[in-house]
Amino acid sequence: AQKVTQAQTEISVVEKEDVTLDCVYETRDTTYYLFWYKQPPSGELVFLIRRNSFDEQNEISGRYSWNFQKSTSSFNFTITASQVVDSAVYFCALSEAGINDYKLSFGAGTTVTVRA
Amino acid sequence: NAGVTQTPKFQVLKTGQSMTLQCAQDMNHEYMSWYRQDPGMGLRLIHYSVGAGITDQGEVPNGYNVSRSTTEDFPLRLLSAAPSQTSVYFCASSYSRTSAGELFFGEGSRLTVL
Repeated sequence: AQKVTQAQTEISVVEKEDVTLDCVYETRDTTYYLFWYKQPPSGELVFLIRRNSFDEQNEISGRYSWNFQKSTSSFNFTITASQVVDSAVYFCALSEAGINDYKLSFGAGTTVTVRA
Repeated sequence: NAGVTQTPKFQVLKTGQSMTLQCAQDMNHEYMSWYRQDPGMGLRLIHYSVGAGITDQGEVPNGYNVSRSTTEDFPLRLLSAAPSQTSVYFCASSYSRTSAGELFFGEGSRLTVL
């Protein structure tokens, strides 16, 4: 069975602070995908990143960066120099590669509040 | 591009009533799915479809029916609404297996069952 744990329920920071969101996953599959989605206050869900299990390179996209560590089953997400527009609920998700790779298991989400 | 369109955005039902949440996508995506979002539980997969005429159950299918008669549409039917089905429902689609997990979501439908 697959499981995604986001232990941080809520994080509050002041603008320009860095914030790291933790994601720990469990799977028996040897190949899988990991994802992060953002849900701003308007409610829609926005895809941020997909990472294959065989690619452990860290990734940076602007102020966003992701740290994938297979050894600790973690896929953490850092927002550098946070801005008010980063306030949202962030979901980590997992799917097995192969025939069911489109079936995502989501974590409970972490609510990030960035104060001006 | 309209993307994924869900209707209605808000609905209040009484216990035992039935209703259909509509979902349509104009991106010619093969894969469509329905999730429900509940506080502290993230999103849970209800039903999904990998193409017209093909549907299957997700993690929490009880009390819901789906059909996929066309590529564009994937309605979710609540047969006899229960208060436990109070939730926000999201329809999502993706192009194909090569874009696995890169889901495009609708804006959500907030359902309250009294």
